[in-house]
Amino acid sequence: DTAVSQTPKYLVTQMGNDKSIKCEQNLGHDTMYWYKQDSKKFLKIMFSYNNKELIINETVPNRFSPKSPDKAHLNLHINSLELGDSAVYFCASSQAGGDQPQHFGDGTRLSIL
Amino acid sequence: SQQGEEDPQALSIQEGENATMNCSYKTSINNLQWYRQNSGRGLVHLILIRSNEREKHSGRLRVTLDTSKKSSSLLITASRAADTASYFCATWSGGGKLIFGQGTELSVKP
Repeated sequence: DTAVSQTPKYLVTQMGNDKSIKCEQNLGHDTMYWYKQDSKKFLKIMFSYNNKELIINETVPNRFSPKSPDKAHLNLHINSLELGDSAVYFCASSQAGGDQPQHFGDGTRLSIL
Repeated sequence: SQQGEEDPQALSIQEGENATMNCSYKTSINNLQWYRQNSGRGLVHLILIRSNEREKHSGRLRVTLDTSKKSSSLLITASRAADTASYFCATWSGGGKLIFGQGTELSVKP
């Protein structure tokens, strides 16, 4: 009964490949997010969706394409992976509004060889 | 640019001691939130304090907010080994996104 689940937990791949990360939440939230955490633990928002509609796109290279098939799912596809994409990617969800706590998945650790 | 800056970057204490972490930010905010991250896990929401509040308590946690100084502090009383984690402040300024600080790594030794 995990609240926010991401798959896979680990992703090791070669430069230039394309990969996807999936996220699902069973909390009934209408807003979902993708964050990137670098090796210094700096956490930065990449995208935010509300009711399947893109709300925030934070100057992320267009090699990153989020897709929200429904309110409970937000996937992230990355084309032509680069060394600098190595990081931990977190999915999160919340009810709409800045005073709502965000619930995070356990992250996907992406390593580019 | 990054909104929150946290101090200290790392803190090591003995079990039973209190731990205080500070967060400073640059622009006006609607609220400030604190999150905990255990090693290898996602962030967990601890407490939210609104811009018109000065202090808030939740169990062993006490958060203060000084909007004139643009700073907040998180106090964990009577710390336990299980409190070992990274602690992040995050600010909401109405722009639709939380902006996180770089965190304080807390180590509580038994």
